[in-house]
Amino acid sequence: DAKTTQPNSMESNEEEPVHLPCNHSTISGTDYIHWYRQLPSQGPEYVIHGLTSNVNNRMASLAIAEDRKSSTLILHRATLRDAAVYYCITYNNNDMRFGAGTRLTVKP
Amino acid sequence: DTGVSQNPRHKITKRGQNVTFRCDPISEHNRLYWYRQTLGQGPEFLTYFQNEAQLEKSRLLSDRFSAERPKGSFSTLEIQRTEQGDSAMYLCASRPGPFSGNTIYFGEGSWLTVV
Repeated sequence: DAKTTQPNSMESNEEEPVHLPCNHSTISGTDYIHWYRQLPSQGPEYVIHGLTSNVNNRMASLAIAEDRKSSTLILHRATLRDAAVYYCITYNNNDMRFGAGTRLTVKP
Repeated sequence: DTGVSQNPRHKITKRGQNVTFRCDPISEHNRLYWYRQTLGQGPEFLTYFQNEAQLEKSRLLSDRFSAERPKGSFSTLEIQRTEQGDSAMYLCASRPGPFSGNTIYFGEGSWLTVV
């Protein structure tokens, strides 16, 4: 079973920031937090990952709670191309299991 | 640098036929994963390999499913005696090694329609 909980869907307006939450209360100390997104009819695409500290890359920022039981993916300025299903995953050295993710709709 | 390659991209088959999908991972990635995804659902884990060794199989992988990675490079996923419920997208992914900070890279998927 997936070890994360995410809202089923969220909406955003174009060029506004989006905060996508994820709960992972059973995360272990060595599990990284990964975010992927999936556009229609494509395979999932890596977005960002982190362990304890907040992370930034060209696509997004990842804010990790101090107790690591939750995290938030931040898209600083949503575009129409960011409309996708976003998956939050925690995993160890073995398999990677997905939940249902959050479907992000971006309105022009 | 090529990504994860899957073929065929689309396959339509009659119920009861066998189908095989191939996955070519990113070069030197020793971990390879197979997932299945149906409409509206997240990818479901099927199995994964460390080099040529199949280390874990999901309960979803019934006896009709078999996956191989004979030389630790490409992998095949075979479905025997296909059923309509097998209709889905089959995703392959690879990563450099077991370190949990490594990123997983997915292919574009192989769509299977069983009629």
